[in-house]
Amino acid sequence: DVKVTQSSRYLVKRTGEKVFLECVQDMDHENMFWYRQDPGLGLRLIYFSYDVKMKEKGDIPEGYSVSREKKERFSLILESASTNQTSMYLCASTPVGFGYTFGSGTRLTVV
Amino acid sequence: DAKTTQPPSMDCAEGRAANLPCNHSTISGNEYVYWYRQIHSQGPQYIIHGLKNNETNEMASLIITEDRKSSTLILPHATLRDTAVYYCIVSSLGGTSYGKLTFGQGTILTVHP
Repeated sequence: DVKVTQSSRYLVKRTGEKVFLECVQDMDHENMFWYRQDPGLGLRLIYFSYDVKMKEKGDIPEGYSVSREKKERFSLILESASTNQTSMYLCASTPVGFGYTFGSGTRLTVV
Repeated sequence: DAKTTQPPSMDCAEGRAANLPCNHSTISGNEYVYWYRQIHSQGPQYIIHGLKNNETNEMASLIITEDRKSSTLILPHATLRDTAVYYCIVSSLGGTSYGKLTFGQGTILTVHP
């Protein structure tokens, strides 16, 4: 089975800290995605990448950046964490033409 | 990508078939219909997808109308573990979208004993 692994299940960070959320997939998928999920707002796409070193903004990229130096790893970076970035963050990967596989999520709390 | 409309909630008795409808009247010719579900506190799980033919796998069946403006996800024998939020999404695979999916609010399916 394809595995998408997110490095942390729960994370607590302070306002202003630089935060790295890591995502690794083990099936050589081309496309990788970062979403955040908030009550009442559903899943919203932050960034996605369709190849190494390639990235595209999603619907809510402000306050975030991403890095994809290797095909299997897609990192989400909060340059200066703020309380409104407290959320559940979900990473997903997919080969072109098939369904997403999601990770278990990272619940980030910014205090 | 085309927008979808789903009922906010549905109930189903355990052991019965659960039929979850989805309207996607603005779907275009190169857009697929995807279904995902999300069990509480977990990441969404892929269920099935299709273009215009009906599809079946070990989890569910997908029935797409001939005009492709609506579809139904069928869980043939619902169990308590099928209680989840079910998302219907339409998306093209290529071009500038690169298969990215836009999730709506979904349908909360509650399976009761």
